Amino acid sequence: KNEVEQSPQNLTAQEGEFITINCSYSVGISALHWLQQHPGGGIVSLFMLSSGKKKHGRLIATINIQEKHSSLHITASHPRDSAVYICAVRSPGNQFYFGTGTSLTVIP
Amino acid sequence: NAGVTQTPKFQVLKTGQSMTLQCAQDMNHNSMYWYRQDPGMGLRLIYYSASEGTTDKGEVPNGYNVSRLNKREFSLRLESAAPSQTSVYFCASIRGADYGYTFGSGTRLTVV
Repeated sequence: KNEVEQSPQNLTAQEGEFITINCSYSVGISALHWLQQHPGGGIVSLFMLSSGKKKHGRLIATINIQEKHSSLHITASHPRDSAVYICAVRSPGNQFYFGTGTSLTVIP
Repeated sequence: NAGVTQTPKFQVLKTGQSMTLQCAQDMNHNSMYWYRQDPGMGLRLIYYSASEGTTDKGEVPNGYNVSRLNKREFSLRLESAAPSQTSVYFCASIRGADYGYTFGSGTRLTVV
């Protein structure tokens, strides 16, 4: 069983498109993280959310605690956004659970 | 440059050999973590250290040991490597519960 499910697993978009990646989780959480892993393997933390919405540049992350769901949106997508996006949640007991990632390819 | 430094970046071991993966952060973060990443699976927590002097098992601790040498350094040891430990290992740190992660660049380990 996976405590964190992401959809879609793979996503291909044309440059400029609006992209949404979804994350659903089944455990109680104190925080949710969105991570970005580039083809070279490095992992970067994009957002940490416990409620509401955060925005950084063209990236927007939202969370609905009642529905146990989060979305990551990318506006005006660009080929440099091509990466694997990983959703992770931290439980109140400091257990961490990770999704298997969404592989995004943005075509020029 | 501030961040998390992992060494080595690549390693090939024979079954039964031992090795230590090193991790150091210079951001004065309290909590440090070791994860492994395998194809088709999410990152899985091996061990973590919530603060200097403490360590706790994660989801997949068998076959590993850790040492939180000081606030900066958190090492992961494989005492007798097995092919099932072939993976990419990431070290990460967090300043506190309300902050995001900083990850190292990873160690690609192959056990033959």
